[in-house]
Amino acid sequence: EPEVTQTPSHQVTQMGQEVILRCVPISNHLYFYWYRQILGQKVEFLVSFYNNEISEKSEIFDDQFSVERPDGSNFTLKIRSTKLEDSAMYFCASSGTGADTDTQYFGPGTRLTVL
Amino acid sequence: KQEVTQIPAALSVPEGENLVLNCSFTDSAIYNLQWFRQDPGKGLTSLLLIQSSQREQTSGRLNASLDKSSGRSTLYIAASQPGDSATYLCAVRANAGNMLTFGGGTRLMVKP
Repeated sequence: EPEVTQTPSHQVTQMGQEVILRCVPISNHLYFYWYRQILGQKVEFLVSFYNNEISEKSEIFDDQFSVERPDGSNFTLKIRSTKLEDSAMYFCASSGTGADTDTQYFGPGTRLTVL
Repeated sequence: KQEVTQIPAALSVPEGENLVLNCSFTDSAIYNLQWFRQDPGKGLTSLLLIQSSQREQTSGRLNASLDKSSGRSTLYIAASQPGDSATYLCAVRANAGNMLTFGGGTRLMVKP
């Protein structure tokens, strides 16, 4: 069964460093998303991406964040200068077309630890 | 702003019991509602999606109902098993946009 994959599974970085989190969405999907979950808190929406542009973003997704689809398969989230409060689990998700258009399928997550 | 609440926050039941998890949302203008399962330290597995025009959806031992006007959804799990132990999350999608707004989850433990 097709699934969303994410790399790395765990990333440790120093405050102020740039990180790039990578995702491979399900191959025929057209909508891509990033969410995050700070330990013990709710899953929060960051951004959605469609047709090579951001379609929606939350207040969390400020100028420190950017997303890119550099090729036909990868979808990345870049955090330009990490802060301690960026420590969280970051989930990529995708959704497709046809009968199952609306279901968002999530990857296993990347745990980001900012020291 | 949409707020999603799940009660109870934690639930412990003996194996074999039927159980109901609750989800409420403040803005009834939703497009759909999705139930997920999250195992510790893992990603979210989609269980059921229920469109705003539907009243319920079933998958195996799971049944999700939706009462949009009252802002409530329930997830019914029949004949619970220890393997059902996980956190169950509900998430709503508004009529505009694709973002999901999540509840805090119900942590379920099914004891053998």
